[in-house]
Amino acid sequence: AQSVTQLDSQVPVFEEAPVELRCNYSSSVSVYLFWYVQYPNQGLQLLLKYLSGSTLVKGINGFEAEFNKSQTSFHLRKPSVHISDTAEYFCAVKRGTGFQKLVFGTGTRLLVSP
Amino acid sequence: EAGVTQSPTHLIKTRGQQATLRCSPISGHTSVYWYQQALGLGLQFLLWYDEGEERNRGNFPPRFSGRQFPNYSSELNVNALELEDSALYLCASSNNPGTGNQPQHFGDGTRLSIL
Repeated sequence: AQSVTQLDSQVPVFEEAPVELRCNYSSSVSVYLFWYVQYPNQGLQLLLKYLSGSTLVKGINGFEAEFNKSQTSFHLRKPSVHISDTAEYFCAVKRGTGFQKLVFGTGTRLLVSP
Repeated sequence: EAGVTQSPTHLIKTRGQQATLRCSPISGHTSVYWYQQALGLGLQFLLWYDEGEERNRGNFPPRFSGRQFPNYSSELNVNALELEDSALYLCASSNNPGTGNQPQHFGDGTRLSIL
């Protein structure tokens, strides 16, 4: 079975500072990895995905993530955050074939202050 | 292109009642997924429908059920509601589930409150 760990439940940061949200996963088979963002009272919006190929993937809103197979990590980064980036961020993993459910981490709340 | 739409936005029920939640997938998507986001429990997979068939379900009791219609829209039914069923229920859709590499796109959810 797959599992996802987001070590930080909350990350406070000042506007225009860089940020990294950590995600580690465990799986005995190949997986696909995703980051979603959830703004208050909304559903989940796909930020980016890693399916194969280049380990550095770029997403929307200036976010990027790097897949590290040896460390089983998929950390999310942004070089300069905005107030509007304040939201809950979820890392998710899905098995490569067959079983289609997404397994989510517990989420990291990013709090951007002026 | 319209995204995943869910209705109603909010639903208030009492214990023992039945709730029906609805989801319309993105045009062209054949797979619909249901997730529960309950306070303190995170996002949990409920059900997966594809081409009108239930393909998989998560670790939820049988009173959680649903169906997918020929137009690929879906209903989630929860019978004999309990207080712990209070949660945000999210629907997602995708295409080509067999390859596994298509991302799931989510709606804004239905917030179910049990009094």
